[in-house]
Amino acid sequence: RKEVEQDPGPFNVPEGATVAFNCTYSNSASQSFFWYRQDCRKEPKLLMSVYSSGNEDGRFTAQLNRASQYISLLIRDSKLSDSATYLCVVKVLGVRSGGGADGLTFGKGTHLIIQP
Amino acid sequence: NAGVTQTPKFQVLKTGQSMTLQCAQDMNHNSMYWYRQDPGMGLRLIYYSASEGTTDKGEVPNGYNVSRLNKREFSLRLESAAPSQTSVYFCASSEAHPGQAIQYEQYFGPGTRLTVT
Repeated sequence: RKEVEQDPGPFNVPEGATVAFNCTYSNSASQSFFWYRQDCRKEPKLLMSVYSSGNEDGRFTAQLNRASQYISLLIRDSKLSDSATYLCVVKVLGVRSGGGADGLTFGKGTHLIIQP
Repeated sequence: NAGVTQTPKFQVLKTGQSMTLQCAQDMNHNSMYWYRQDPGMGLRLIYYSASEGTTDKGEVPNGYNVSRLNKREFSLRLESAAPSQTSVYFCASSEAHPGQAIQYEQYFGPGTRLTVT
């Protein structure tokens, strides 16, 4: 089983709609969770961290379900500018996941297209 | 404040040629990273430098070498390029300190698109 799995999409959503996608992780010792956004042919940028109690940032809501080992991202009132690839990122404290310094593991991303 | 810069933006190499990808950050970050991104594979860590003077292998280090020249600069060298190294290369940096539990945001450079023929 892959460490971090995401539905690659694409998700085609009309402008103004609500869209949600999940990410599952395999390591139950995972400590920190993030969503990064990557625009076409650009670098990834942090969208938001995901906290245990869930958190909201404007139109974006992130949830964590430790029992089922998944995180979710909900986008309300979607805008054309939300079209991007959303990367799920997981950190396992004290484990050099993939040899990484911070133990960060990136999912392959979910491609979202908002249509006018 | 430019953040993370990378040069060159694009490069075409022939098999067997060598080149160095340059990366610099002006945020006084301790940790720096090199990733490659391939279609369907996601971001994979090549090498990282947890602090100035240290480097370590990531998930896919074969065929690459790195140098942490100073706190600002972290270069990636391909000694003998192969077509399998055709990819987009991203450099990143963060405030992370070795062994620290807090996860800091990673800031990425704009990437280098490398083609090896």
